[in-house]
Amino acid sequence: QVQLVESGGGLVNPGGSLRLSCAASGFTFSDYYMTWIRQAPGRGLEWVSYISGSSSSTNYADSVKGRFTISRDNAKNSLYLQMNSLRAEDTAVYYCARWAAGGYFPYWGQGTLVTVSS
Amino acid sequence: EIVLTQSPGTLSLSPGERATLSCRASQSLTSTSLAWYQQKPGQAPRLLIYGASNRATGIPDRFSGSGSGTDFTLTISRLEPEDFAVYYCQQYGSSLRTFGQGTEVEIK
Repeated sequence: QVQLVESGGGLVNPGGSLRLSCAASGFTFSDYYMTWIRQAPGRGLEWVSYISGSSSSTNYADSVKGRFTISRDNAKNSLYLQMNSLRAEDTAVYYCARWAAGGYFPYWGQGTLVTVSS
Repeated sequence: EIVLTQSPGTLSLSPGERATLSCRASQSLTSTSLAWYQQKPGQAPRLLIYGASNRATGIPDRFSGSGSGTDFTLTISRLEPEDFAVYYCQQYGSSLRTFGQGTEVEIK
């Protein structure tokens, strides 16, 4: 069955960097767009970024554009999110999710918590 | 960016009652590109509905979705105890995916 396991979250100072990973299994990873979605404590869901199966297409929410970079390694069945210039408002649980046709999300990981604080 | 506005913010109902949740888009969505998710505390969201009205695998038929254009509705015909949760709509009609702010269905 489809499994998505995020890792790499933790406590980081404002202005710092962090790299999140998502290990995928149970499907042909390279066939699917993947996405990152975050949820600040006690708040709603916010779509962050997506990447196509071949990495040829990416897109970002305005709130992270220029600071975050999404990438993938299809040989390792892994998705990444490089987060630079982190701000307090980036504090959230970060979920990776697999797209279905068109861009909704039937499969989610359990999330990894990123806390940006001094 | 397409903004999704959900109403009401909180719905207080009793088990067995009918729940009607609304999601309004700031622009018309192409091809009914709207999904609904359920989220319980400490859990990842679960897909309920896609394409505005198609139930995802394993979702009970008490959940139904309807609507097109800018106005969409999620209906839970008879609330079960496990249905009390937060519900989000999400559009995928534009390249920037967006979520609504959520509706909490709480026990009255």
